Amino acid sequence: RKEVEQDPGPFNVPEGATVAFNCTYSNSASQSFFWYRQDCRKEPKLLMSVYSSGNEDGRFTAQLNRASQYISLLIRDSKLSDSATYLCVVNINAGKSTFGDGTTLTVKP
Amino acid sequence: GAVVSQHPSRVICKSGTSVKIECRSLDFQATTMFWYRQFPKQSLMLMATSNEGSKATYEQGVEKDKFLINHASLTLSTLTVTSAHPEDSSFYICSARDRGGMRDTQYFGPGTRLTVL
Repeated sequence: RKEVEQDPGPFNVPEGATVAFNCTYSNSASQSFFWYRQDCRKEPKLLMSVYSSGNEDGRFTAQLNRASQYISLLIRDSKLSDSATYLCVVNINAGKSTFGDGTTLTVKP
Repeated sequence: GAVVSQHPSRVICKSGTSVKIECRSLDFQATTMFWYRQFPKQSLMLMATSNEGSKATYEQGVEKDKFLINHASLTLSTLTVTSAHPEDSSFYICSARDRGGMRDTQYFGPGTRLTVL
């Protein structure tokens, strides 16, 4: 079993749609959680950290469920520019990050 | 956010040559940097953890004699791919750990695309 597993993609949605991604992690000692986005042939960029209480940044909402060991990312009112691969990232210790395989989102006009 | 630079952005070399990639944190000190490799349509795979002033820690299956890492200062880590072969062609990305903010966060360099002929 992979340490970090994400929803298989791709997700193809129309503009304005709401889309949700889930990610599960296997190590209960995981300490911090992040969502990154990666555009084609570019480096990953931090989208948002995920806090235990859940957090929102504009159209993006991230939630963490430690008991079930999953995190989620909700995107509301999807824009064409949201098209990218979204990576779930889990830190266990010493800053060492484990990446999920990513979920590809394509937002269509 | 914090800025991490990587140089070169793209390199094409002949089989058997060595290639050095630099990773710099431009506006913060990074005691820890990470080197990743990403093949097409695959996720980032951690190769090694680079600690300033000490030896790098390599992940299982990564040859330390082939991928030499030097973290000589708090803002610079280098990865040297020695005797490169076509199967080493990949996208190499570094990240630097910023512990100075509210959150322990990694910032990624723009990546180096290596093509070995």
